[in-house]
Amino acid sequence: SQQGEEDPQALSIQEGENATMNCSYKTSINNLQWYRQNSGRGLVHLILIRSNEREKHSGRLRVTLDTSKKSSSLLITASRAADTASYFCATRSGGSYIPTFGRGTSLIVHP
Amino acid sequence: DAGVIQSPRHEVTEMGQEVTLRCKPISGHNSLFWYRQTMMRGLELLIYFNNNVPIDDSGMPEDRFSAKMPNASFSTLKIQPSEPRDSAVYFCASSIASNTGELFFGEGSRLTVL
Repeated sequence: SQQGEEDPQALSIQEGENATMNCSYKTSINNLQWYRQNSGRGLVHLILIRSNEREKHSGRLRVTLDTSKKSSSLLITASRAADTASYFCATRSGGSYIPTFGRGTSLIVHP
Repeated sequence: DAGVIQSPRHEVTEMGQEVTLRCKPISGHNSLFWYRQTMMRGLELLIYFNNNVPIDDSGMPEDRFSAKMPNASFSTLKIQPSEPRDSAVYFCASSIASNTGELFFGEGSRLTVL
């Protein structure tokens, strides 16, 4: 069963707009990671946020983590058509080395 | 440096046939994961190896599935006999074992069982 669940399942926006995706999880985590998957390709790691961090930035990406609500959000600012992909959150709990993935948010950015 | 290499990229086979998927992890990585991705169930962990030893195989669906890692640079996932419900994209990923390590995924093997 998935630990993290992304919301919304699908998101369609225009180029230049911001895209926000959310991830909710059920149990305490050590860290949370976001991955991107282009159609027909493997997943690519985007950013990791630790359980004692609240916000992290990487280029046009901004990730927040609220451990009290067991949720995270991924914001892509000034989106581009090339950002079209599925985005997954993955969580690690306890001493586990195994990340558990959500079902992903499918993002379409229209040029 | 080469990333995680999987083969074949695509496989079409008939029900009952044996299927072998192959993976070469990134050199120096000591953790290897096999995941299966379907529309219905998303991304599911099948098995996790650390230092070539299977640590968690609780995701392996049934006895028809088996995985081996004879050395640090090679792993196989075998399905025998294959069934139509095994149709999916199978991903191999590797990482340096730690509780923060990112996973590096291969491009996947798309399996279709007719």
